[in-house]
Amino acid sequence: DSGVTQTPKHLITATGQRVTLRCSPRSGDLSVYWYQQSLDQGLQFLIQYYNGEERAKGNILERFSAQQFPDLHSELNLSSLELGDSALYFCASSVVGRVGTGELFFGEGSRLTVL
Amino acid sequence: AQTVTQSQPEMSVQEAETVTLSCTYDTSESNYYLFWYKQPPSRQMILVIRQEAYKQQNATENRFSVNFQKAAKSFSLKISDSQLGDTAMYFCAFPLRGGSEKLVFGKGTKLTVNP
Repeated sequence: DSGVTQTPKHLITATGQRVTLRCSPRSGDLSVYWYQQSLDQGLQFLIQYYNGEERAKGNILERFSAQQFPDLHSELNLSSLELGDSALYFCASSVVGRVGTGELFFGEGSRLTVL
Repeated sequence: AQTVTQSQPEMSVQEAETVTLSCTYDTSESNYYLFWYKQPPSRQMILVIRQEAYKQQNATENRFSVNFQKAAKSFSLKISDSQLGDTAMYFCAFPLRGGSEKLVFGKGTKLTVNP
């Protein structure tokens, strides 16, 4: 158990809908990262928050947004869903703000299926 | 561009034997970390081993070791005495810098350990 909690584990929805994925980082970790894992693109970095502020942005679509709350949990909002958004969405956390010097702890992921 | 390449989409090995997974990367940085992550069927990403680029000594964690060739930008993972529980996807990962703190992952190698 990594200590990172993601909910829901599975989610099935329809095109055009909006969903929210939730992540609670390990106790004490200030950084939260969101990754998308799809069959054709592999693991893609979406966005990072550090202590409530956006720290780095990757290949995140404009239809997607995220935030980190004062209690350090994070939410990833996906809207106007398309079939291609079906993927496994991972949250990870780390102690330090710079992932290059620290280990990432991953949650079990949220499997999103868009029909 | 900074990239990570895993050229072996799938590999298999007999239980108790040794297998080596390849990874090459490209970077202009001089100091960095490299990671191997494992994703078993349970799908959670687990850190297997980490190598600091400024250290000449190859990292070792029990049955897992790396062969780090900095000049060649090669970072291979050796698994000794393979066990059935080693069956998983293995991802090589590399943190970008230059203001970006995301981990870039290779496409992964699917390893199957056969009894």
